[in-house]
Amino acid sequence: KQEVTQIPAALSVPEGENLVLNCSFTDSAIYNLQWFRQDPGKGLTSLLLIQSSQREQTSGRLNASLDKSSGRSTLYIAASQPGDSATYLCAVRPRANSKLTFGKGITLSVRP
Amino acid sequence: DTAVSQTPKYLVTQMGNDKSIKCEQNLGHDTMYWYKQDSKKFLKIMFSYNNKELIINETVPNRFSPKSPDKAHLNLHINSLELGDSAVYFCASSQDQFSWGYTFGSGTRLTVV
Repeated sequence: KQEVTQIPAALSVPEGENLVLNCSFTDSAIYNLQWFRQDPGKGLTSLLLIQSSQREQTSGRLNASLDKSSGRSTLYIAASQPGDSATYLCAVRPRANSKLTFGKGITLSVRP
Repeated sequence: DTAVSQTPKYLVTQMGNDKSIKCEQNLGHDTMYWYKQDSKKFLKIMFSYNNKELIINETVPNRFSPKSPDKAHLNLHINSLELGDSAVYFCASSQDQFSWGYTFGSGTRLTVV
């Protein structure tokens, strides 16, 4: 059974800092991995998707990496801003048409 | 224009009642989902429909019954509500069951008292 872990549960950093959010999963046989953002009282927004054959994906100040063999993914946020404050969740998909398994998320607070 | 809209946003009800949550998407997506986010923040899928057909049915009590009258709507009916049903319920949609681009609704916070 796939389990997704995100540690720590919460993180507070000063504005401008580069930071890394970690995600680990127990079964390396995945189809893809996604990072989502959840704002308080809102639904989730897809940020980045990494296919199992890829090592990383970039979108603006965000860079996500995937190391399947070690069961890890990281989300790198460059030059963090207060507007980046949110909960970041990673989710893995074992097969093309299977369900996503989510981690609990990391609640990020960027202090002005 | 809200892409995935859920109603109501908040729902407070007594144990034993029956309630429904409605979801509509105007994106032309084929696949819709219901997720439950409990107090520990775990987000777990409950059901998925593709073109009105049930494709994912996780182990949830049969008090929960989804209904998809057309591919733009996926409603969730809950019978005999229990305290443990209190959670935030999210509806989502994607182009198809293989697509990674999910669009989520803003959630329905259900509180059972």
